[in-house]
Amino acid sequence: DQQVKQNSPSLSVQEGRISILNCDYTNSMFDYFLWYKKYPAEGPTFLISISSIKDKNEDGRFTVFLNKSAKHLSLHIVPSQPGDSAVYFCAARYGGSQGNLIFGKGTKLSVKP
Amino acid sequence: DTAVSQTPKYLVTQMGNDKSIKCEQNLGHDTMYWYKQDSKKFLKIMFSYNNKELIINETVPNRFSPKSPDKAHLNLHINSLELGDSAVYFCASSRPSGPSSYEQYFGPGTRLTVT
Repeated sequence: DQQVKQNSPSLSVQEGRISILNCDYTNSMFDYFLWYKKYPAEGPTFLISISSIKDKNEDGRFTVFLNKSAKHLSLHIVPSQPGDSAVYFCAARYGGSQGNLIFGKGTKLSVKP
Repeated sequence: DTAVSQTPKYLVTQMGNDKSIKCEQNLGHDTMYWYKQDSKKFLKIMFSYNNKELIINETVPNRFSPKSPDKAHLNLHINSLELGDSAVYFCASSRPSGPSSYEQYFGPGTRLTVT
């Protein structure tokens, strides 16, 4: 049973425009949500996170929004750049500081020049 | 400097063989993990080690065994390999507690192909 879902397997955006990647979850006990970026033949790299007690976190071009009532989070990339083309994984943590990360299936973002 | 490294990067072997994948981190982290990414692209936790103790052991076959000779290493041993073991295996590490303990650093992955 998928506790973290990314329903869009792919997304194509024009350079300079906004990319919005979505993620839904089912477990209200998750305490942190993270976004990871993955290039082919490399491991995932941490991008940005948000605590379950916040509704927004911003880091440069990347902003993550959390809507707890809807159990939904999104990653906004503005402006999108060709180098942002990668697979983006949403992940959620449960079990506190020694807890597990549960990953979504990923969304492949393509940013066209 | 590579933070989390894995060897080998590619591993092709036959069913029934025993193989190991090595992982090393130079971040000074106390907790290390093994993940499996299957053909459906899901990244699933297999094991985690904190201070040489297994703290999470998901329902993986006992043919898989993690071995941690020291805090910086967590190796994955797989016995009697099966076709379904073909996947990409990622090692990761994190701080055990405190700020950013939720952030895990991943290795580049090992693509295992069982024929």
